[in-house]
Amino acid sequence: EAQVTQNPRYLITVTGKKLTVTCSQNMNHEYMSWYRQDPGLGLRQIYYSMNVEVTDKGDVPEGYKVSRKEKRNFPLILESPSPNQTSLYFCASSPGGPDTQYFGPGTRLTVL
Amino acid sequence: ELKVEQNPLFLSMQEGKNYTIYCNYSTTSDRLYWYRQDPGKSLESLFVLLSNGAVKQEGRLMASLDTKARLSTLHITAAVHDLSATYFCAGRNYGGSQGNLIFGKGTKLSVKP
Repeated sequence: EAQVTQNPRYLITVTGKKLTVTCSQNMNHEYMSWYRQDPGLGLRQIYYSMNVEVTDKGDVPEGYKVSRKEKRNFPLILESPSPNQTSLYFCASSPGGPDTQYFGPGTRLTVL
Repeated sequence: ELKVEQNPLFLSMQEGKNYTIYCNYSTTSDRLYWYRQDPGKSLESLFVLLSNGAVKQEGRLMASLDTKARLSTLHITAAVHDLSATYFCAGRNYGGSQGNLIFGKGTKLSVKP
């Protein structure tokens, strides 16, 4: 089944404890992206990757890192999480560019 | 930098009625996207509008793009309860990299019998 998977789906952690949210797609898509969704703010793009060789910042990259070592995976890394990173995170992929994105199920992160 | 504004943010409709959601954007954007999010679920891509005058339709939803007015609309025809969801528009930040998307805050649509 063609899909985008994220793990974990739910995570409660404490301030400063490094964490990684994984994202994987099995559709051979070039484009991948991370978003956060907060009430009243809609979706905001964190990072995106046009292909394995190109990764760029979105609107809210502060406090996040990403890695695109292979086409299928695009993990989101929080080196030192803070409470303001409590949010619902979505990963998405698309064949080429951000057109027709397929979204993962979301990861709900709480940082205490 | 591109800014995207949707209105209304909340919309309560009766089944069978028509309505339009508006998406205004502040600067040039070479394409406009619409997404749907059901309550508690992930997002689903609905439409990609690539050029001025573009119109896309699927079922009771029709999206259009007017690049001169910097306006996209999502028209709902004869609403049914199954259309209850939050709808987002997004523009591609033309001045930046091709992968940078800016989203509106979303329109929460509730269709009542």
